[in-house]
Amino acid sequence: GAGVSQSPRYKVAKRGQDVALRCDPISGHVSLFWYQQALGQGPEFLTYFQNEAQLDKSGLPSDRFFAERPEGSVSTLKIQRTQQEDSAVYLCASSLNQAPYEQYFGPGTRLTVT
Amino acid sequence: DAKTTQPTSMDCAEGRAANLPCNHSTISGNEYVYWYRQIHSQGPQYIIHGLKNNETNEMASLIITEDRKSSTLILPHATLRDTAVYYCIVKTGGFKTIFGAGTRLFVKA
Repeated sequence: GAGVSQSPRYKVAKRGQDVALRCDPISGHVSLFWYQQALGQGPEFLTYFQNEAQLDKSGLPSDRFFAERPEGSVSTLKIQRTQQEDSAVYLCASSLNQAPYEQYFGPGTRLTVT
Repeated sequence: DAKTTQPTSMDCAEGRAANLPCNHSTISGNEYVYWYRQIHSQGPQYIIHGLKNNETNEMASLIITEDRKSSTLILPHATLRDTAVYYCIVKTGGFKTIFGAGTRLFVKA
């Protein structure tokens, strides 16, 4: 079946612009995660949803970052007033809410802020 | 969640076993050990997980010490396509996941 998809795959934004990144999880996966990955580093947790409920947003770096999953399926990560330090790959992952809780990752969206 | 310590990089000859160590000395009783890998320009991929017992699947084997303070991921016959960053993670259940820097494995012909 289809895996996790993300769009766009690449996004260039001028500093100060707002961006919206989309994640389509695997059908039936209750849990959805967003990560930020800077060049040469491991993924950093941003936020976690179980269905439409955002259960953990402790990793969001500032109030410019906002994530939603209104119908418990597709999720959008929005970054307002982008800054250069927001340049990174944004990864989305989904999983079933049962052991082994393995996460299936999308290919990521590479955001470059100029 | 407990922290893990992994070597920054390792080399392995093609066809030989790759043994990737991970220290997790502060692991608690209900935390699992998970391994993921990330091939260049792709999202991470789940490999294997375990609690106490050694585990094996079609991709790899996971050896966990009796005190659970360390583990080793074994790729029995490494190929060039196994060149990737390997992440060792300890966590409970399906919640927040903390990746470290991982180990960069270079498989050489």
